[in-house]
Amino acid sequence: KAGVTQTPRYLIKTRGQQVTLSCSPISGHRSVSWYQQTPGQGLQFLFEYFSETQRNKGNFPGRFSGRQFSNSRSEMNVSTLELGDSALYLCASSLAGGPLQPQHFGDGTRLSIL
Amino acid sequence: DAKTTQPNSMESNEEEPVHLPCNHSTISGTDYIHWYRQLPSQGPEYVIHGLTSNVNNRMASLAIAEDRKSSTLILHRATLRDAAVYYCILGNFNKFYFGSGTKLNVKP
Repeated sequence: KAGVTQTPRYLIKTRGQQVTLSCSPISGHRSVSWYQQTPGQGLQFLFEYFSETQRNKGNFPGRFSGRQFSNSRSEMNVSTLELGDSALYLCASSLAGGPLQPQHFGDGTRLSIL
Repeated sequence: DAKTTQPNSMESNEEEPVHLPCNHSTISGTDYIHWYRQLPSQGPEYVIHGLTSNVNNRMASLAIAEDRKSSTLILHRATLRDAAVYYCILGNFNKFYFGSGTKLNVKP
């Protein structure tokens, strides 16, 4: 069974640009969550999508947005990039979300802002 | 947001049991306690979760205090492959809040 796939693995952008990251969940999983991981702040929850709807949201500015497609694949967009957005962005999927279901993480997209 | 407190690092010898503690004094009645671990250059991996009762699976055991304000992840026989950062997380619905984690070093 294929795991969660995130593309690209590495990305370099400059301040002010925008970026789109992609996540393909495990087949059959309908919940997709996004996290930001930095050395200073650790792992922080961004948002969760289920059936193409954003169901939960963390405390990030509106520059961070996402969407989910009918096949459960998800994309995350960051506009007007800032140096502080340099981080590892992780995607996790589960069957239907909720605290009872384990989340399966991808290996992340490492975004560097110059 | 519910928070967890874990020691920054712990060390263990290979083949010995490891007890990783976690304090979560502000836990609410609907928060589940989850443990994940993260190996270098990989995403986090699910280990175990529970609500009130102690839990066992093939990877580990989870001991939850009676007042639920603390819990302990138990690895029964540590191996070198268990060296990772272990996160204790409180999960409510589908929001998971990761603490800073405990870096476990396993010595051969």
